[in-house]
Amino acid sequence: DTGVSQNPRHKITKRGQNVTFRCDPISEHNRLYWYRQTLGQGPEFLTYFQNEAQLEKSRLLSDRFSAERPKGSFSTLEIQRTEQGDSAMYLCASSSGTASYNEQFFGPGTRLTVL
Amino acid sequence: DAKTTQPNSMESNEEEPVHLPCNHSTISGTDYIHWYRQLPSQGPEYVIHGLTSNVNNRMASLAIAEDRKSSTLILHRATLRDAAVYYCILRDGDFGNEKLTFGTGTRLTIIP
Repeated sequence: DTGVSQNPRHKITKRGQNVTFRCDPISEHNRLYWYRQTLGQGPEFLTYFQNEAQLEKSRLLSDRFSAERPKGSFSTLEIQRTEQGDSAMYLCASSSGTASYNEQFFGPGTRLTVL
Repeated sequence: DAKTTQPNSMESNEEEPVHLPCNHSTISGTDYIHWYRQLPSQGPEYVIHGLTSNVNNRMASLAIAEDRKSSTLILHRATLRDAAVYYCILRDGDFGNEKLTFGTGTRLTIIP
């Protein structure tokens, strides 16, 4: 399977703990995106990378959130001092090319539950 | 990103055509109209996109109004596997507008 993969698929944590999610994009894709989706809502943009450079961050990405893509391949999203409001599905997507209409390919997501 | 308006939900019978509407009255000249869908327990997937002319692909057709203020996604023969949330999204065609801005979409239920 050469699609976008995310690990873990599910994470249950206690409030105040730190969590880290990993995303492996499609290998030739230079763009990588993180979104968050809560129940009944569409995904909300968090941040995106072009290669290893983080080019845009949403206001939703508070200082407790940090994303990296150190070698321009996989990416990690870390949430420090988790809160119950962080409970959501975290989606990763990747795309290639320079045209903004190129489709984004999404992974299956990591579902985070903060107790 | 310009705003889109979609019905919250729709139902259709299996093996019949489905027309999913989207209003985007504030669309700009450089906005592309994209459709994504999200099957249960999966990430969204691309369906189709267009600028001015109607578009067809293996999954669906996109009909765009002449004034571009509305569009319709057409599934020609719905199957149970088409049950999903369908999102209509506008994306500026100028380079640099990377993110997708999802609304709440239309939840499509297919009746066997």
